[in-house]
Amino acid sequence: DADVTQTPRNRITKTGKRIMLECSQTKGHDRMYWYRQDPGLGLRLIYYSFDVKDINKGEISDGYSVSRQAQAKFSLSLESAIPNQTALYFCATSDPPHGNRYFGPGTRLTVT
Amino acid sequence: GENVEQHPSTLSVQEGDSAVIKCTYSDSASNYFPWYKQELGKRPQLIIDIRSNVGEKKDQRIAVTLNKTAKHFSLHITETQPEDSAVYFCAPAGGTSYGKLTFGQGTILTVHP
Repeated sequence: DADVTQTPRNRITKTGKRIMLECSQTKGHDRMYWYRQDPGLGLRLIYYSFDVKDINKGEISDGYSVSRQAQAKFSLSLESAIPNQTALYFCATSDPPHGNRYFGPGTRLTVT
Repeated sequence: GENVEQHPSTLSVQEGDSAVIKCTYSDSASNYFPWYKQELGKRPQLIIDIRSNVGEKKDQRIAVTLNKTAKHFSLHITETQPEDSAVYFCAPAGGTSYGKLTFGQGTILTVHP
């Protein structure tokens, strides 16, 4: 089945380290998203991309950067991790923009 | 941007009862109204959605109703079952937030057997 996958699924890192979370999809969708989930705050949009040449900031982009390497790949980087970036991170795809979001399984990130 | 609020934040019901979760939004141009379900340790998944030209949509035990004038839409679950226990999110979109869903903070539904 076409799916959205994320690596790693769990990651523990130290303050100040650079880390990358990767997302791949086989759904053939052009649009990809990175969300952050914290308890009681729902899912908040970090970055989104409508195609390979299009990158847009979401509501909480500070401290994060992204790279859209191909239609199927969208990576999220934390240049210098800090403890309040500890959260559950989800990648998602959609087609069209107001259609269903197909989420990956999530990456649980802990910054100590 | 869109302001979204869900109520209640937690809801506890007995098996077989009905559950209703309400979502209010601020952008009058919003035109897409989905509900997502997230089971413990799992990814969010769409369970039902509605577009602004429709007032109500049903799918077996779940339904969504929309009141565009009052800027709110609701998720209705009838004959609840323990497997309905999850966190539910509304995520209206459209208008000034083109292409971006704005998620509510979530409602934790617990169905007691």
